[in-house]
Amino acid sequence: DGGITQSPKYLFRKEGQNVTLSCEQNLNHDAMYWYRQDPGQGLRLIYYSQIVNDFQKGDIAEGYSVSREKKESFPLTVTSAQKNPTAFYLCASSIFGRATKGNSPLHFGNGTRLTVT
Amino acid sequence: GQQVMQIPQYQHVQEGEDFTTYCNSSTTLSNIQWYKQRPGGHPVFLIQLVKSGEVKKQKRLTFQFGEAKKNSSLHITATQTTDVGTYFCAGPNNAGNMLTFGGGTRLMVKP
Repeated sequence: DGGITQSPKYLFRKEGQNVTLSCEQNLNHDAMYWYRQDPGQGLRLIYYSQIVNDFQKGDIAEGYSVSREKKESFPLTVTSAQKNPTAFYLCASSIFGRATKGNSPLHFGNGTRLTVT
Repeated sequence: GQQVMQIPQYQHVQEGEDFTTYCNSSTTLSNIQWYKQRPGGHPVFLIQLVKSGEVKKQKRLTFQFGEAKKNSSLHITATQTTDVGTYFCAGPNNAGNMLTFGGGTRLMVKP
């Protein structure tokens, strides 16, 4: 089955530590995204990437970093500079190209719940 | 920047009652997408509307895209407990390379 895999499902870290969240997709999608969701809130875009070795900041990129070395993988690092890192992190992917103009639907992974104490 | 707003934030209904959530964008949209997130789950794509005034139906769900392409609505007829979750609308920015999500409407259904 094709899909997006995020791991781990739950993650606990001490304040001051960097932590990397994994996101892998086998849908052959060009674009990948990271969203953050706080309890009872909507989704806010952290970073996105339309092509390998290229990525752009979203609305709340401060304190986060990403890489896109392979089409299938888009890991997110939550650094110690992120002031409120505890949240639900969702990775998504979509087809992106001239035909779709980037408006194709997002496929989401199951998410990673990060708790920092 | 672009803003997408949804109302209401929460809605409690008795099973069998109808439900509507409204979505408004600060900018004209090329299309609008709707997603459903079950409690504890991840958002799942429901539908995309592209044309001005477009209406689409999925069983008991009716989606509308406004004439000015700045607003949209989702109406559920005769809600069921399986409809519980948060419904999000999302619209692309002008460049079409990212989606902005509304804050969502959380639907709770009493059996």
